[in-house]
Amino acid sequence: SQKIEQNSEALNIQEGKTATLTCNYTNYSPAYLQWYRQDPGRGPVFLLLIRENEKEKRKERLKVTFDTTLKQSLFHITASQPADSATYLCALGNTGKLIFGQGTTLQVKP
Amino acid sequence: DAGVIQSPRHEVTEMGQEVTLRCKPISGHDYLFWYRQTMMRGLELLIYFNNNVPIDDSGMPEDRFSAKMPNASFSTLKIQPSEPRDSAVYFCASSTGTTDTQYFGPGTRLTVL
Repeated sequence: SQKIEQNSEALNIQEGKTATLTCNYTNYSPAYLQWYRQDPGRGPVFLLLIRENEKEKRKERLKVTFDTTLKQSLFHITASQPADSATYLCALGNTGKLIFGQGTTLQVKP
Repeated sequence: DAGVIQSPRHEVTEMGQEVTLRCKPISGHDYLFWYRQTMMRGLELLIYFNNNVPIDDSGMPEDRFSAKMPNASFSTLKIQPSEPRDSAVYFCASSTGTTDTQYFGPGTRLTVL
């Protein structure tokens, strides 16, 4: 069955460093991949979309890579800030619906 | 735009009772999605609609769950009868296309005692 794995343990980093989150998947061939941010008590908020024929996407301090051979996406936040602390979800899509990973909680310490 | 609106924000009910969750998508969005989020299972897609028509309901856990979209601006998710294992946060989301950004509502936290 389809499986998406994100770092199950929280990621703690120091302010100013680059945070790197991983999303691995098996038994699936997504046409695109999305990253969402979720704060406690709120719904997920869309951050970036990358398609299967794209290797990298950037938006301000965010960068996403997508390697369909490794079946992996990496999500980077450069110059991280305490305000970046949240849970980050990756989601894979193909036929119109998204399958979400469990999310990775990022804590940026000042 | 006010974004996706869900009601109620919190619902506490007793086992066996009927629960109805409501969603108003963003105007102009023709896709509507219902999700359920728990610590154990994460965010799961239950059902999604396109132009008010259910397209994929394979995520609906069992016959106790039903969803309707009578018009472009309103959808309901009903659980009858409710059970304690239905306790979760239920999200509604809408988008303009299948690969497009999904805009999520604030969620309804359901507790079944």
